[in-house]
Amino acid sequence: DQQVKQNSPSLSVQEGRISILNCDYTNSMFDYFLWYKKYPAEGPTFLISISSIKDKNEDGRFTVFLNKSAKHLSLHIVPSQPGDSAVYFCAASLTGNQFYFGTGTSLTVIP
Amino acid sequence: DVKVTQSSRYLVKRTGEKVFLECVQDMDHENMFWYRQDPGLGLRLIYFSYDVKMKEKGDIPEGYSVSREKKERFSLILESASTNQTSMYLCASSLWGSEKLFFGSGTQLSVL
Repeated sequence: DQQVKQNSPSLSVQEGRISILNCDYTNSMFDYFLWYKKYPAEGPTFLISISSIKDKNEDGRFTVFLNKSAKHLSLHIVPSQPGDSAVYFCAASLTGNQFYFGTGTSLTVIP
Repeated sequence: DVKVTQSSRYLVKRTGEKVFLECVQDMDHENMFWYRQDPGLGLRLIYFSYDVKMKEKGDIPEGYSVSREKKERFSLILESASTNQTSMYLCASSLWGSEKLFFGSGTQLSVL
């Protein structure tokens, strides 16, 4: 059973606008949540993470929000740039030694 | 800089062949993982290892085995390749207890 879900397989956004990628999870024991970015023919690269004790973490244009009561997290990219076009994977960690990934959302930023 | 190296970017094999996928990390990480990525299914964990000679099954271990004889090297073995094992295979490593995974560039395996 999928413990981490990304219900939107794709998203298109105009350059300069905000991109919002969503993720839901089922296991309340997860203690870290992460976002990875993947270009075609490359491995995923770490983008940003948030501890379960926080509700927001910001790094430049990227902000992750965590709503524990709803078991939901989101990634905001502001402003979106064409180079942000990639597949984004949400992941959740248990004690840092087990990782569960969502199915990914393909983001296209239109110039 | 952190580096996880997978031996092949592209591999074509025949049904029934034994296939070895090699992964080496240079960060002295305890944890190593093998995932496969398929469209619409995301990243699914095949096997992982917390230490030398240790291995644990992930979500989809059937048809695969692994070997970890040295800390830096984690091998994925397809005992008898089948067409449904055509996929992108990703190796990753992490420090014990760290939330960050570092991935290799992946091996696109085609089984004909």
